[in-house]
Amino acid sequence: DTAVSQTPKYLVTQMGNDKSIKCEQNLGHDTMYWYKQDSKKFLKIMFSYNNKELIINETVPNRFSPKSPDKAHLNLHINSLELGDSAVYFCASSQEVATSGGQETQYFGPGTRLLVL
Amino acid sequence: AQKITQTQPGMFVQEKEAVTLDCTYDTSDQSYGLFWYKQPSSGEMIFLIYQGSYDEQNATEGRYSLNFQKARKSANLVISASQLGDSAMYFCAMREVLMDSSYKLIFGSGTRLLVRP
Repeated sequence: DTAVSQTPKYLVTQMGNDKSIKCEQNLGHDTMYWYKQDSKKFLKIMFSYNNKELIINETVPNRFSPKSPDKAHLNLHINSLELGDSAVYFCASSQEVATSGGQETQYFGPGTRLLVL
Repeated sequence: AQKITQTQPGMFVQEKEAVTLDCTYDTSDQSYGLFWYKQPSSGEMIFLIYQGSYDEQNATEGRYSLNFQKARKSANLVISASQLGDSAMYFCAMREVLMDSSYKLIFGSGTRLLVRP
């Protein structure tokens, strides 16, 4: 069974369009994340949700809006897509631990390859 | 600010030999965690190994081991008996704990490993 799944795997769209990427985890984790991997393979966090509540919001344009209908799902909606949004977007999840002493490994989805033309 | 540095953009290793991928980190936290992830050409991010800052023993997981040198702030990944399937990008990451005890991963720039037959 897939632990963290994302749809779609590939997304090709025109500049100015609005698109969504869906993420689901069946690990029972409390925390979910969105990361962006650019063309140079650099990975950076965008958002984090814990039990449906936004806890991390890095410097991301407000065209990007995450939505968490429940703690197993974290979707990413992108308005007015731009060429620079082309990247691979990864969803991840972890079991949140109140202290910093635990491992709290993040498990990643397969990624969504977004190409904006 | 926390930082992860991977100074080897690319490495070659002969099949069945061991290889060390370098990772140095910078943090003022006393408690932290270090992770290694593998990203094969198919694109998914695969968790390999974890080392906690208070762990006295170096972490090992099968053919992977982590050479943790706390005073030098290094957490090098050692892959023993390299296999062709080990060819991939390898990312070192560090857990940054935030004010509300949530955390995010800070990633290095990655090392591309190519295993030669």
